[in-house]
Amino acid sequence: EAGVTQFPSHSVIEKGQTVTLRCDPISGHDNLYWYRRVMGKEIKFLLHFVKESKQDESGMPNNRFLAERTGGTYSTLKVQPAELEDSGVYFCASSQDQIKRDHNEQFFGPGTRLTVL
Amino acid sequence: AQSVAQPEDQVNVAEGNPLTVKCTYSVSGNPYLFWYVQYPNRGLQFLLKYITGDNLVKGSYGFEAEFNKSQTSFHLKKPSALVSDSALYFCAVRDMYSWGKLQFGAGTQVVVTP
Repeated sequence: EAGVTQFPSHSVIEKGQTVTLRCDPISGHDNLYWYRRVMGKEIKFLLHFVKESKQDESGMPNNRFLAERTGGTYSTLKVQPAELEDSGVYFCASSQDQIKRDHNEQFFGPGTRLTVL
Repeated sequence: AQSVAQPEDQVNVAEGNPLTVKCTYSVSGNPYLFWYVQYPNRGLQFLLKYITGDNLVKGSYGFEAEFNKSQTSFHLKKPSALVSDSALYFCAVRDMYSWGKLQFGAGTQVVVTP
């Protein structure tokens, strides 16, 4: 079974530019999460999709970040315009249906390392 | 609000010795606790979780963790460390009111020397 994949693995952009990160969850996983780790600190939650709907976007830092999950499959996270403090590693994770709240673990992708110069 | 503390930035241990990685948490209601490991250039891999039941949880690669409610701790342990266990370890918590949002600690780098 293929795991969670993320593209690109690395991205280096200049301040003010736009970057789009992509995440492909494990097939059949309704839940998709975005997290971010900045400068070696803790991994922080950004948002959670259930299928194509945003279940929780309380962690999104500001309106420069836009996440979409059209069709409930892959997701994109766009940063526009990028700022220096956006540098970090962006992780995507997916998990199975949680209607029964059975606390399935989340499966993580390898992350995208974003560097804003 | 939920929070996780991993008090040690790095743990050094000789191969064959016991390994412990500490984690304490703060959460409303019953906690759901997880350990993940990140090897270089890889994503986070799930090790184990505590939801309910036996306080001692066994996971992948010979790891186990003990849930201690009174001390609000969930320390990760391995009786005999391997050089290949050298990696970055993250503790995470979810409260009973959240759907899936995980709160992570800052991570602990484990270095196992031959």
